[in-house]
Amino acid sequence: NAGVTQTPKFQVLKTGQSMTLQCAQDMNHEYMSWYRQDPGMGLRLIHYSVGAGITDQGEVPNGYNVSRSTTEDFPLRLLSAAPSQTSVYFCASGGENEKLFFGSGTQLSVL
Amino acid sequence: AQSVTQLGSHVSVSEGALVLLRCNYSSSVPPYLFWYVQYPNQGLQLLLKYTSAATLVKGINGFEAEFKKSETSFHLTKPSAHMSDAAEYFCAVRGGGGYQKVTFGTGTKLQVIP
Repeated sequence: NAGVTQTPKFQVLKTGQSMTLQCAQDMNHEYMSWYRQDPGMGLRLIHYSVGAGITDQGEVPNGYNVSRSTTEDFPLRLLSAAPSQTSVYFCASGGENEKLFFGSGTQLSVL
Repeated sequence: AQSVTQLGSHVSVSEGALVLLRCNYSSSVPPYLFWYVQYPNQGLQLLLKYTSAATLVKGINGFEAEFKKSETSFHLTKPSAHMSDAAEYFCAVRGGGGYQKVTFGTGTKLQVIP
């Protein structure tokens, strides 16, 4: 089992560029989510999904879009990157009432 | 609404001493509570979880946590710290069961002094 796979591991963008962070899980989890981690602020929820076709906003959704067309995939899109989006991004998935499985993270720098 | 507050962004203990990391929660429904650990440059791993079955929860690596509803607390303890326990620890809450969203605290970095 690969678990939760995130790509890329590192990315540098210029302000205004767009990109998609990929997340895939092979555990048939209904719940998937994206967090950003910043020093002193812990993990803040960006968006989450409770199944294919169902998404909802977390604490810090502005500037990010998501979609869930399949159970396995939950990509995070930055439409117009800003320096404030420089962060480490984690994708996580989980079963009902169970723990979250985390990807290894994407370190994003926006110049 | 749900949230967790972790008291102390940095905690230092001597090797062999008691580890106590504090977490208080807020939830409008009976909560599911978790402690996760993050080692440098890695993702988060589950230490333990509370899902209303028992108030004292034992986790991996000798850690345990006690759910106290009257104090809205879920503090993490370990009787004797090891050097390998140095990491960042996160408390998290899920408001109710099923597929509710999970909210994390701001984290506590544990330093173990030899």
